[in-house]
Amino acid sequence: DIQMTQSPSSLSASVGDRVTITCQANQDSGKYLNWYQQKPGQAPKLLIYAASNLETGVPSRFSGSGSGTDFTFTISSLQPEDFATYYCQQLRTFGQGTRLETK
Amino acid sequence: QVQLVQSGAEVKQPGASVKVSCKASGYTFTGYYIHWVRQAPGQGLEWMGWMYSKSGGTDSAQNFRGRITMTRDTSIGTAYMELSRLTSDDTALYYCVRAKCNDGRCYNFDYWGQGTLVTVSS
Repeated sequence: DIQMTQSPSSLSASVGDRVTITCQANQDSGKYLNWYQQKPGQAPKLLIYAASNLETGVPSRFSGSGSGTDFTFTISSLQPEDFATYYCQQLRTFGQGTRLETK
Repeated sequence: QVQLVQSGAEVKQPGASVKVSCKASGYTFTGYYIHWVRQAPGQGLEWMGWMYSKSGGTDSAQNFRGRITMTRDTSIGTAYMELSRLTSDDTALYYCVRAKCNDGRCYNFDYWGQGTLVTVSS
């Protein structure tokens, strides 16, 4: 089974910061890697699919890169509404999540 | 607009079964896969299985094989997930999710239901 290691598990940052989250697979995942945002009391929201494709309507400050086993998710300039938990997903497997909190 | 509306919260005793419904609207129901994902309180996301709405074909995670049944009624655009032999570990928020395909893989979860809380308690 594919296992995803997402890091960090939590992150403190300020508005305007550049934030990076990584996800590593234990076997080649090609470009099948998605990123989701989940706010408390809400369902997750798809932000990035196929490693680097921005979902329709998602702000361009969100981006993704990588292929194979190593993937990166970046928020270029953190906004107040971005404080949430972020998950990577490779097909049937989700990462453990990264809780992004205000510093 | 695309919507997935799930049935209400359930409380079940250990050993019982639960059936959650997911009514789709705003798109052609038979054109997409429906997946089920659950989230235990304060925990992460766990994929459970998928159903192809057109054919009714299914596949599920090894953890749930033999306990999960996914069906649909195409006449009313509704998917169902039934989980049997419940234990306290099954207490979670259950989501139905529409998946869009990319490069032949249909695991891009673009629309989510609101979630159905299933509580297993004696």
